Amino acid sequence: DGGITQSPKYLFRKEGQNVTLSCEQNLNHDAMYWYRQDPGQGLRLIYYSQIVNDFQKGDIAEGYSVSREKKESFPLTVTSAQKNPTAFYLCASSIWVDAEKLFFGSGTQLSVL
Amino acid sequence: QKEVEQNSGPLSVPEGAIASLNCTYSDRVSQSFFWYRQYSGKSPELIMFIYSNGDKEDGRFTAQLNKASQYVSLLIRDSQPSDSATYLCAVTLSGANSKLTFGKGITLSVRP
Repeated sequence: DGGITQSPKYLFRKEGQNVTLSCEQNLNHDAMYWYRQDPGQGLRLIYYSQIVNDFQKGDIAEGYSVSREKKESFPLTVTSAQKNPTAFYLCASSIWVDAEKLFFGSGTQLSVL
Repeated sequence: QKEVEQNSGPLSVPEGAIASLNCTYSDRVSQSFFWYRQYSGKSPELIMFIYSNGDKEDGRFTAQLNKASQYVSLLIRDSQPSDSATYLCAVTLSGANSKLTFGKGITLSVRP
């Protein structure tokens, strides 16, 4: 079955620690995205990638980093510079960057210890 | 700032009633409009999209777009308890490389 796989489902971060959230897709989509969702809030775009080895900042990129070394993979690192990292993180993909129909992974809930 | 606004919720309707969810957007040149449904703790799923003024129906769901008034709505007929979820409005705003902008969502509760 084609889809987007996010792992882990739950993640805990200690003070000053970097953590990496995994996102893998087998839909052969060119574009991938990372969104952050806080309780009672909509989705806010962190980073997106149109093609391998290329990525762009979204609206709230500070404190986050990404890489796109393979078409299938778009990991997100939450760095220690992100002072309020507790949120639900969603990875998504689309056929190409201007294709508006997004397919979402199941999400990762990140909490601070 | 370009924004997408949704009614503050939650919205509660009895089973079998029509639920009406509204969304307004600030960018007059917006092109594409989407409704996503999100169950608690789950990821959003696309349920409707609309590009042109007027109504678009899909089963019990109807999306209504009025570009002159800058609003898009979602009607759910014969509401079922399984429709209880948060509904997110998303709009593609104008501008180069514009991505989807999401509203905060409105939580719908359908009472049996």
